[in-house]
Amino acid sequence: NAGVTQTPKFRVLKTGQSMTLLCAQDMNHEYMYWYRQDPGMGLRLIHYSVGEGTTAKGEVPDGYNVSRLKKQNFLLGLESAAPSQTSVYFCASSFFPEVEREPYNEQFFGPGTRLTVL
Amino acid sequence: GQNIDQPTEMTATEGAIVQINCTYQTSGFNGLFWYQQHAGEAPTFLSYNVLDGLEEKGRFSSFLSRSKGYSYLLLKELQMKDSASYLCAVRRLSGNTGKLIFGQGTTLQVKP
Repeated sequence: NAGVTQTPKFRVLKTGQSMTLLCAQDMNHEYMYWYRQDPGMGLRLIHYSVGEGTTAKGEVPDGYNVSRLKKQNFLLGLESAAPSQTSVYFCASSFFPEVEREPYNEQFFGPGTRLTVL
Repeated sequence: GQNIDQPTEMTATEGAIVQINCTYQTSGFNGLFWYQQHAGEAPTFLSYNVLDGLEEKGRFSSFLSRSKGYSYLLLKELQMKDSASYLCAVRRLSGNTGKLIFGQGTTLQVKP
């Protein structure tokens, strides 16, 4: 199993350009998440999805859109990139938190995408 | 609201024991996680507490006191490879979304 994969690993954009980050997981997880990580800020939730075809806003959703057309994929889009979106982006996935499964249903993280917006 | 506090940086010596504290304020508490993150890598799961007390996993232990809003991660017999950031994260009862709120992380440097 590859676990959680993210593409691309690195990207440099100019202000105003658009791009899509792809996250894929092969663990049949229901839940998927997009975070950004900035120095001194910790991981902050951008958007999340509790199942195919559903998405919801997290802590810092402005400037981002997401789609979950297939259970295994979760896409994060930047329509018009800004320098404030320079960050490391992590995708994560987990099972639906049922007691019958592992008691903690931890999130599994992808390797991250380092994005710079000039 | 919710707030999670951890020390920003800690330094310890190889072979020693170090305790990393985490305090939190949140409603609807549903578990506390510790993750390890090496520089340039993804966070990886270390431990989980939902009931008060100590959970032990080899050299790592995690403690929780729900009444005090307090947890700590204890690392024994420190090794150089333990140099990393340690992230405390709280899960809330919020419609079974599984969302986590992360602290800013504690960067641990282990010196020879």
